[in-house]
Amino acid sequence: QSALTQPASVSGSPGQSITISCTGTSGDVGTYDLVSWYQQHPGKAPKFLIYEATKRPSGVSYRFSASKSGNTASLTISGLQADDEAYYYCCSYAGSNIYLFGGGTKVTVL
Amino acid sequence: QVTLRESGPALVKPKETLTLTCTFSGFALSSSGMCVTWIRQSSGKALEWLATIDWEDDKYYTASLKTRLTISSDSFTNQVFLRLTNVDPVDTGSYYCARGPINDAFDFWGDGTEVTVSS
Repeated sequence: QSALTQPASVSGSPGQSITISCTGTSGDVGTYDLVSWYQQHPGKAPKFLIYEATKRPSGVSYRFSASKSGNTASLTISGLQADDEAYYYCCSYAGSNIYLFGGGTKVTVL
Repeated sequence: QVTLRESGPALVKPKETLTLTCTFSGFALSSSGMCVTWIRQSSGKALEWLATIDWEDDKYYTASLKTRLTISSDSFTNQVFLRLTNVDPVDTGSYYCARGPINDAFDFWGDGTEVTVSS
């Protein structure tokens, strides 16, 4: 199985909204609503943002929202802030107790 | 409060065996539905799911490394171990342990341990 496909970079100005895509196949994202998203600042461990494609755990800012359509999942960051500058990774269940991560997207706040 | 902490050698020689330890607190691996997973990140690149052990001691491995990986646990000491045999410089990177998958996500992560494979 191959890694999920994410754009290498996305940028936006403070206050704007940006969307990061995560494209898989019918064997993972397309079949299971089991996509999660993580934020990683340089030199730090990933932080859990979204589970089951659209659900936000307690403690995660409402500015982070997510959706899924077909083989593509998306993460939207609204009201972009300087601290949102980080790498973002998607992850999908791929059946048979296997998980696939995306290649990661670098978000730059201009 | 859930915490996880990875430990292990910082430097390993090619062809040797790497053994990492994840020491966790705030949950019991023996609880129904509980799992611990190892994930690695090579030199600032993408995350890679490696292996998961669950509350029933079932183990799951990424296909590409299945013949080289062993995950195990000690419920008495709240530790999960990862063994990677015949290491190569491409195995260099940060190794993380995380709680999960729970709701098919990894909700708590350790800070990671950096491993370099070099002679």
